Amino acid sequence: AQTVTQSQPEMSVQEAETVTLSCTYDTSESDYYLFWYKQPPSRQMILVIRQEAYKQQNATENRFSVNFQKAAKSFSLKISDSQLGDAAMYFCAYRSAHSGNTPLVFGKGTRLSVIA
Amino acid sequence: NAGVMQNPRHLVRRRGQEARLRCSPMKGHSHVYWYRQLPEEGLKFMVYLQKENIIDESGMPKERFSAEFPKEGPSILRIQQVVRGDSAAYFCASSEGSNQPQHFGDGTRLSIL
Repeated sequence: AQTVTQSQPEMSVQEAETVTLSCTYDTSESDYYLFWYKQPPSRQMILVIRQEAYKQQNATENRFSVNFQKAAKSFSLKISDSQLGDAAMYFCAYRSAHSGNTPLVFGKGTRLSVIA
Repeated sequence: NAGVMQNPRHLVRRRGQEARLRCSPMKGHSHVYWYRQLPEEGLKFMVYLQKENIIDESGMPKERFSAEFPKEGPSILRIQQVVRGDSAAYFCASSEGSNQPQHFGDGTRLSIL
């Protein structure tokens, strides 16, 4: 079974600085997707960024980018120019690309605080 | 285009009562997933349904929990004879196809007195 590990329960960053959240995963599959979700206090689950395992290029979305290391099974999230609105729980998630086997597997999350 | 709609947002039940949680997927989406989030934990998969069919219920507790997604109407997650340990946030997600992105609702927070 696949597992996702987020080793940092809490992180903090100064406003306008950069922070990196760690995520590692375990799988025997070669084709899969990886995601970062943001959950603010309102509890919505907001998709931040998505990476296909077959793509070598790291995904980016504005101030959010990932460092995907397939051999190391590592998928870290970098937030640049941090803003107060970035404060939230961040969850890393894995999903198999095999048809019919599509539940998301989540890590336990990292709580990010942004200091003004 | 409305997103995934879950209701109620908050639900309070006494031990032994039944809880019904509803999820209306996004328009055009026929795949629904239910996840449970315990306090300070990530979301854990419960069940995956397509219209009128349960595709994967490997994450569902064997007793008291059931789910359906009828031809007409929302998907329902039903918990019978609730216990304190059922207190959690329950999230629904929907997608167009089995390998398409999943869009989440705002969740239902279930509290058991």
